[in-house]
Amino acid sequence: QSVLTQPPSASGTPGQRVTISCSGSSSNIGVNYVYWYQQLPGTAPKLLIHRNDQRPSGVPDRFSGSKSGTSGSLAISGLRSEDEADYYCVAWDDSLNGWMFGGGTKLTVL
Amino acid sequence: QVQLQQSGPGLVKPSQTLSLTCAISGDSVSSNRAAWNWIRQSPSRGLEWLGRTYYRSRWYNDYAVSVKSRITINPDTSKNQFSLQLNSVTPEDTAVYYCARGPCSGGSCYSMDVWGKGTTVTVSS
Repeated sequence: QSVLTQPPSASGTPGQRVTISCSGSSSNIGVNYVYWYQQLPGTAPKLLIHRNDQRPSGVPDRFSGSKSGTSGSLAISGLRSEDEADYYCVAWDDSLNGWMFGGGTKLTVL
Repeated sequence: QVQLQQSGPGLVKPSQTLSLTCAISGDSVSSNRAAWNWIRQSPSRGLEWLGRTYYRSRWYNDYAVSVKSRITINPDTSKNQFSLQLNSVTPEDTAVYYCARGPCSGGSCYSMDVWGKGTTVTVSS
């Protein structure tokens, strides 16, 4: 059971907008940043969004992040087939004194 | 740019010690602007942060509660690398193990931005 809760799956058709949620608590997302990673099969996770809503250099602006209270959200607009991947949220937990990962959301582009 | 090169055995026997090394290029293990992390991934446990080491006038370590009694992360400044040791392994420790850098600034550290390629470790006799 992950400290951060994500839906196990999400889907959309090319061009659509999809959102993935990440629910935490007052000891993690409530007081710290949320981060998002994209993981393609057989590769290491890639940082997609840092500090709630910031995109690292090279990440398309189709990807956006937000945070409200104890939840974070990743939105992908203009969905493409290459966006089909697993997506993970991460936050530092002050009570557990460590980085916590969500269980991951498998995105399918129909 | 920063690169992390992992090395270590892919097969470990139950009850023995899992040992992996992560060599850093393009940054320093002693940097006060980074923390050096180990993360693992398995189908049953998903992505799991194991711990980190970082230098701020002296060396610090943080470890995940789930492995705290069995884990050691050590820096090696002479080789600019850091290592993971996990004792008394069981088949439950079978996973892909990643090393990763967490950037730090102004006393705060942020989530991992550079990752190694991963090492598949199987615990089996």
